[in-house]
Amino acid sequence: GQQLNQSPQSMFIQEGEDVSMNCTSSSIFNTWLWYKQDPGEGPVLLIALYKAGELTSNGRLTAQFGITRKDSFLNISASIPSDVGIYFCAGLQTGAQKLVFGQGTRLTINP
Amino acid sequence: NAGVTQTPKFQVLKTGQSMTLQCAQDMNHEYMSWYRQDPGMGLRLIHYSVGAGITDQGEVPNGYNVSRSTTEDFPLRLLSAAPSQTSVYFCASSSGRSYNSPLHFGNGTRLTVT
Repeated sequence: GQQLNQSPQSMFIQEGEDVSMNCTSSSIFNTWLWYKQDPGEGPVLLIALYKAGELTSNGRLTAQFGITRKDSFLNISASIPSDVGIYFCAGLQTGAQKLVFGQGTRLTINP
Repeated sequence: NAGVTQTPKFQVLKTGQSMTLQCAQDMNHEYMSWYRQDPGMGLRLIHYSVGAGITDQGEVPNGYNVSRSTTEDFPLRLLSAAPSQTSVYFCASSSGRSYNSPLHFGNGTRLTVT
């Protein structure tokens, strides 16, 4: 099946640092989504991107839909303890009815 | 606002047993799906449904059955549980048949097969 390569797999940072993670694919996607999963819960949507080149912010989070439509990145500025969790990218191809998820980036913050 | 409700939260089965994982949504969403989450593998699609009476296979459908008799409910059946089915299962829904709208996830069912 289609694969999304998400990196890094894990991050250990200090509180207050900025975070950057990305997702790449060999295939073109027409929708990119970023989700966050807290322990013991289901993923929750953070940002949705529908257009190549689109740059969208949600508070301290910023995500971009790559121009080639084969990648996306998520940045978190000035990290705080509640940012801890697993972040997933997900992509949807034209005409497809199912999302493809990346493997996830586990974020740990040292106080 | 209940959203997507999954039951049970935890389940332990012996190899060969069958069971049904329940999923209900109260948002009148047409699209519903089941994913399994395993360490290092992200979320993999098991089955999905674009509306009542319509189901289709996802990436890893073997060993699972689904049905969609109503818009609200989308149960997942394990016919004969195997240790390889030990995982966390998530149900998700979204509005619209075109699927170009974000998924809303339940809180998961953690299944252990011994």
